[in-house]
Amino acid sequence: DIQMTQSPSSLSASVGDRVTITCRASQSINSYLNWYQQTPGKAPKLLIYSASNLQSGVPSRFSGSGSGTDFTLTISSLQPEDFATYSCQQTYSTPNTFGQGTKVEIK
Amino acid sequence: QVQLVESGGGVVQPGKSLRLSCAASGFTFSDYAMHWVRQAPGKGLEWVSLISHAGSIKYYADSLKGRFTISRDNSNNTLSLQMNSLRAEDTAVYYCSRGALKGDPVRDFDYWGQGTLVTVSS
Repeated sequence: DIQMTQSPSSLSASVGDRVTITCRASQSINSYLNWYQQTPGKAPKLLIYSASNLQSGVPSRFSGSGSGTDFTLTISSLQPEDFATYSCQQTYSTPNTFGQGTKVEIK
Repeated sequence: QVQLVESGGGVVQPGKSLRLSCAASGFTFSDYAMHWVRQAPGKGLEWVSLISHAGSIKYYADSLKGRFTISRDNSNNTLSLQMNSLRAEDTAVYYCSRGALKGDPVRDFDYWGQGTLVTVSS
């Protein structure tokens, strides 16, 4: 199975900050990488697919980059509604494993 | 608009069975693969199972050890998950999620239901 490792596990940031979350795969997954946002009690929401493609309706302050084994999710200017948990997932092969999640909290 | 609505969750004793359903609408169900994903309380997301658009190909997480069966009814736009020999560690919110469009593997897991809670407890 492909292991997905996110860092950091949590971070504190202020509104307006630039935030970067990284995800590393245990083997190459090309660009088969999704990023999700999840708030408590809600379903995950797809933000980025194929490593760098913005899902329809997602604000442009979210961006993704990377290929192979190393990926990044960037929020260019953190907004109040962005405080949530972010998870990466490889869709290269089953089982479609997830990272452990990164909780973004208010500083 | 795409909608996925799960049902069938509840409290069940260890060793018993439960069947989850996911009603799909707003898209051509038979054109898409479908997934089940679960999330234990306070934990991360865990992929459970995948079924192809026609239902002929199925994959499962190794941790399930043959206890779960995924199926679909394309005439009724419904996805199901039959869960047998349930254990305490199966306690989780179960989500259905839309998979890739047949012939186009790029966008996967783009829509999710609201989830249904399964609690395995005596």
